[in-house]
Amino acid sequence: QSALTQPASVSGSPGQSITISCTGTRSDVGAYKYVSWYQQVPGKAPKVMIYDVNNRPSGVSDRFSGSKSGNTASLTISGLQAEDEADYYCCSYTSSSTWVFGGGTKLTVL
Amino acid sequence: QVQLVESGGDVVQPGTSLRLSCAASGFTFSNYAMHWVRQAPGKGLEWVAFISYDGKITYVADSVKGRFTVSRDNSKYTVYVQMNSLRSEDTAVYYCARDISYHYSTDYWGQGTLVTVSS
Repeated sequence: QSALTQPASVSGSPGQSITISCTGTRSDVGAYKYVSWYQQVPGKAPKVMIYDVNNRPSGVSDRFSGSKSGNTASLTISGLQAEDEADYYCCSYTSSSTWVFGGGTKLTVL
Repeated sequence: QVQLVESGGDVVQPGTSLRLSCAASGFTFSNYAMHWVRQAPGKGLEWVAFISYDGKITYVADSVKGRFTVSRDNSKYTVYVQMNSLRSEDTAVYYCARDISYHYSTDYWGQGTLVTVSS
């Protein structure tokens, strides 16, 4: 199972919006609504920000939103804040009853 | 509050075995499936294994198939991963995570335990 494809890095200024893409195949992202997004600050465990493509867990800011079209999922962060600077990973359930992560995207807030 | 605490990480030689544990508290452990996810130093996340709430269904990644086995003891609120024939590429921080039932995702994660495979 190959890793999902994410851009290595994205950046934006405070207050702006950014979007991180996550491209898979018809066997994972394209097959199910089970795409999640995780935020990881260096040295800490990942934190789920989005599950089921566009659902936010309790306590996650509504500045975070998710979507999916075909084999590509996206995470959008609006009103960028310094505290959003972190690594972001997408993850999808697959037709092999396994899960696959993306390679990760480093978000820099300028 | 939900807590997951991994243990068992160590420095081991290639070809040897190691068992990691993840002790859960703050929720009814037997109601939830669990995952193991690892992260090599400076690298991204890699899903490793899944075990159903009752232990009857398990899945592992192709990269560890035949070498890693996941199990659980609901009476001890603990999930395990038995790692055999360890390789240098298994060097990573290993996290356990609770499954969000019916949503094929996770919510709570432990702090991780480091496994180093080196001669």
